[in-house]
Amino acid sequence: DTGVSQNPRHKITKRGQNVTFRCDPISEHNRLYWYRQTLGQGPEFLTYFQNEAQLEKSRLLSDRFSAERPKGSFSTLEIQRTEQGDSAMYLCASSTDDRATGELFFGEGSRLTVL
Amino acid sequence: SQKIEQNSEALNIQEGKTATLTCNYTNYSPAYLQWYRQDPGRGPVFLLLIRENEKEKRKERLKVTFDTTLKQSLFHITASQPADSATYLCALARSNDYKLSFGAGTTVTVRA
Repeated sequence: DTGVSQNPRHKITKRGQNVTFRCDPISEHNRLYWYRQTLGQGPEFLTYFQNEAQLEKSRLLSDRFSAERPKGSFSTLEIQRTEQGDSAMYLCASSTDDRATGELFFGEGSRLTVL
Repeated sequence: SQKIEQNSEALNIQEGKTATLTCNYTNYSPAYLQWYRQDPGRGPVFLLLIRENEKEKRKERLKVTFDTTLKQSLFHITASQPADSATYLCALARSNDYKLSFGAGTTVTVRA
């Protein structure tokens, strides 16, 4: 297993278009997280899943954002009717349930530019 | 409101010196605190975790302290090297929560 994989790495789109990002977590990890990061800021929590259940969503996640994790494996994050303010790095992370470590394993991110 | 604040200024140090980074938090009762390293255009990479009942943790040239009274963690890189140049993020989690909340990070540049 080579770690958390995210696709595409870069996406340029016009305002108003829909975009979808995919995340493949480490195979034995049942928790999956989405974060958003803008320049000069730390990652901001968006949502997370335990297996296929979406357990929490941030207030940052407007109605235009939707995330799924069918069958508790890969996850997708869709942004509808993109706005310029959506331009950011979208980071996916995964972890086990072991609170003894609590470590998140991040992917390399998907950078979105909305023109 | 809850806040996590890291050194606002970037840190520039000479190779071989110790870099000390600060993470302060307010309105938080973290069960543990983590430090991550992030290189430009890459995802964060986990470095160290310290629990609320621990005062200090070490890993190779890294040392983390955690003072829950002061609501502060210090992160030290000893015998710094140019390869240590990166942004360092602190992150907190509550006892009933799996998600992490991150600070904005501190950028460290180590000059040869």
